[in-house]
Amino acid sequence: QVQLVQSGAEVKKPGASVKVSCKASGYTFTTYGISWVRQAPGQGLEWMGWINVYNGKSNSAQKFQGRITMTTDTSRSTAYMDLRSLRSDDTAVYYCAKDRGLRPVHWGQGTLVTVSS
Amino acid sequence: NFMLTQPHSVSESPGKTVTISCTRSSGSIASNFVQWFQQRPGSAPTTVIYEDNQRPSGVPDRFSGSIDSSSNSASLTISGLKTEDEADYFCQSYNSDIYVVFGGGTRLTVL
Repeated sequence: QVQLVQSGAEVKKPGASVKVSCKASGYTFTTYGISWVRQAPGQGLEWMGWINVYNGKSNSAQKFQGRITMTTDTSRSTAYMDLRSLRSDDTAVYYCAKDRGLRPVHWGQGTLVTVSS
Repeated sequence: NFMLTQPHSVSESPGKTVTISCTRSSGSIASNFVQWFQQRPGSAPTTVIYEDNQRPSGVPDRFSGSIDSSSNSASLTISGLKTEDEADYFCQSYNSDIYVVFGGGTRLTVL
């Protein structure tokens, strides 16, 4: 069955970077995209961006442009999301999702990123 | 850009049917697919409806999705409510500019 397994929780200081990984299994990795979505404590879902795994092209929400990089390693069926210049309001659970073109279908378990001095 | 507006909360009794609405502020609801996600407390979201009315494998047919162009809204209907359906539900859609938005979420209470 489809599984997306994300890396473990991270604690970062303001100004640092974090890289979250998302290992996919149970489907052909290159035939779907990967979306990244985050959820701040007690808040709703926020779309961060999407990468087309087949050709490597990505799009991100305007508020993250310049701070986010999404990549994939097809040999490892793994996607990565790198967020730079972290602030306290970046504290959130970050999710990856197998995506049919801006249409998430299967989700990872989430990665808690805490930004604190 | 557009917004998706959902009711903050709904409640219904076990065995009954509930419908959660998701209204698009601008642009046609029919122009881009709508997805629905269920999130139980402390858990990751799961997709219950994608592409307006498609159920992923494993999602019971008690869950259904629809689109109404007259009200420019999408709806998630859950029939035969069970206590395990108690969760937050989020709608989501996008546009051709690759602008993706989630609704604010609806807390479903089954009592």
